[in-house]
Amino acid sequence: RKEVEQDPGPFNVPEGATVAFNCTYSNSASQSFFWYRQDCRKEPKLLMSVYSSGNEDGRFTAQLNRASQYISLLIRDSKLSDSATYLCVVNGGGSYIPTFGRGTSLIVHP
Amino acid sequence: DGGITQSPKYLFRKEGQNVTLSCEQNLNHDAMYWYRQDPGQGLRLIYYSQIVNDFQKGDIAEGYSVSREKKESFPLTVTSAQKNPTAFYLCASSIGLQGTQYFGAGTRLSVL
Repeated sequence: RKEVEQDPGPFNVPEGATVAFNCTYSNSASQSFFWYRQDCRKEPKLLMSVYSSGNEDGRFTAQLNRASQYISLLIRDSKLSDSATYLCVVNGGGSYIPTFGRGTSLIVHP
Repeated sequence: DGGITQSPKYLFRKEGQNVTLSCEQNLNHDAMYWYRQDPGQGLRLIYYSQIVNDFQKGDIAEGYSVSREKKESFPLTVTSAQKNPTAFYLCASSIGLQGTQYFGAGTRLSVL
């Protein structure tokens, strides 16, 4: 079983739609979680951290479900510029190195 | 401006040649990482370093080598033993292993 799993997609949605991605992780001791955005042929950039209480940044909402061991990213009112690959990162705590999922591709069309 | 600088942006390797990718950060981060990304694939960890003069192999270290003589610098050498080096190489740093990672702009390596 992979440590961090994401549906690769692509998720193809119209502008204005609401879309959600999940990321499951296998290490129950994981302590910190992040969502990154990666544009084609560019480096990943931090989108948001994921806190136990959930957090929201404009149209983006991230949540953590420890019981079921997944994190989620919700994008409301999708824009064309949201088209990218979204990577989740899970840190295991202590000396565990961060583990990246393979990413979920989002395509927002007019 | 604080950040991570990778150079060169594009690099071409001849068969049998070793090449070195540069990664410098001025964020005062202790941890640094090298990842490889193939088209349509996720990031795979090559090497990481938690502190100066110490580094550990990642998932795909064969054919690569690194050094960490200074806190700011973590160069990656792609040796001739790496038979399929064509990829996008990304360097990252973080305060510690649990901190947020920040990435350089990457180096695209191709084989001539």
